[in-house]
Amino acid sequence: QQQVKQSPQSLIVQKGGISIINCAYENTAFDYFPWYQQFPGKGPALLIAIRPDVSEKKEGRFTISFNKSAKQFSLHIMDSQPGDSATYFCAASTGFGNEKLTFGTGTRLTIIP
Amino acid sequence: GAVVSQHPSWVICKSGTSVKIECRSLDFQATTMFWYRQFPKQSLMLMATSNEGSKATYEQGVEKDKFLINHASLTLSTLTVTSAHPEDSSFYICSARGGLAGSRYEQYFGPGTRLTVT
Repeated sequence: QQQVKQSPQSLIVQKGGISIINCAYENTAFDYFPWYQQFPGKGPALLIAIRPDVSEKKEGRFTISFNKSAKQFSLHIMDSQPGDSATYFCAASTGFGNEKLTFGTGTRLTIIP
Repeated sequence: GAVVSQHPSWVICKSGTSVKIECRSLDFQATTMFWYRQFPKQSLMLMATSNEGSKATYEQGVEKDKFLINHASLTLSTLTVTSAHPEDSSFYICSARGGLAGSRYEQYFGPGTRLTVT
């Protein structure tokens, strides 16, 4: 019940295209859903996060879509650029008491020219 | 804002020795810090959660006597790998949370420490 399932494992997108990464969860107590970007040999960096009271959040080229009834959320990267090539992790946590993050398995994104 | 540093960024040590890794929140007070371990091409595995002035809470399967965590102040947590062995070689990452307005949930990660035990 604590798992966050992430897909696909790897993704290749052409420059300028839309990259879409999906995550699903079971624990209905999760109330915070961040996405992290990680480059090789570096720590993860917070990209964007959403709470379940909204269905979509946009920051620049990055958008989170959230479907509470389906217990799914996704990251959309518009106008994907080679510099977006990295590993992306979705995560979830509860805001009450035990607030550790549960991470997805990661998606290796490659943007090709 | 919300910068977390780690020191050292990489370390090589001999089997049987101990290694200390520092995690600092540079521009905010971290009420909670987390330590993760990451193997190549894998996700982050939470090792322990530490609150300032309290004993760390370790995840199931993590040896607390081997991975000593100290959170002595609101800006510093340390992870000591005692009697390191080659299987302890990994990428260790800390994160910190707390103190910034509106960021109750957000965790900010350090750049990681690559530990190699020979």
